[in-house]
Amino acid sequence: GQQVMQIPQYQHVQEGEDFTTYCNSSTTLSNIQWYKQRPGGHPVFLIQLVKSGEVKKQKRLTFQFGEAKKNSSLHITATQTTDVGTYFCAGPEGAQKLVFGQGTRLTINP
Amino acid sequence: NAGVTQTPKFQVLKTGQSMTLQCAQDMNHNSMYWYRQDPGMGLRLIYYSASEGTTDKGEVPNGYNVSRLNKREFSLRLESAAPSQTSVYFCASSLWGADNQPQHFGDGTRLSIL
Repeated sequence: GQQVMQIPQYQHVQEGEDFTTYCNSSTTLSNIQWYKQRPGGHPVFLIQLVKSGEVKKQKRLTFQFGEAKKNSSLHITATQTTDVGTYFCAGPEGAQKLVFGQGTRLTINP
Repeated sequence: NAGVTQTPKFQVLKTGQSMTLQCAQDMNHNSMYWYRQDPGMGLRLIYYSASEGTTDKGEVPNGYNVSRLNKREFSLRLESAAPSQTSVYFCASSLWGADNQPQHFGDGTRLSIL
């Protein structure tokens, strides 16, 4: 079946540093979704990318979808303590299922 | 404005016991999902229901059964709990299928099997 790989698994940064997580799929995706899970919480939808080469921004977060629609990245500029959590990418498998990456756990030293 | 509600939030079982995890959504969504989350393994799909009256296996269905009771409710049953089923269980829903639709998650059930 489809596989979605995310790296790194963990990232620890100083507050104010930038952070990037990368997502790679074994197959071409029709779209990719990103979720954030705070410690002890549940995943919360952040954004969906659909077009090849698409770039979307949400304040300090920049999301990119690769030209081949097989990879994606999330970049956070000047991290803040509120950015702590695990970030997941997810790609559809068929019409009904989402396949999630393993997630990147971000911790921040204030 | 509850979204997706899961009960219970915590549960401890002994090996061999059975239990049902409940999930209900009030967003009039058609599709519902059960995931388990284990450290370092992301979210793995156990079962899903594309619409009322249908259920299908996901990636890790062994040891579980589900019931889509109506459009709102989707329950997950462990018939004979095993320590390997210790995990955090999330229910999610989406308006239609996962393709092009965000999923909304409940707060999770933290289940320990002794």
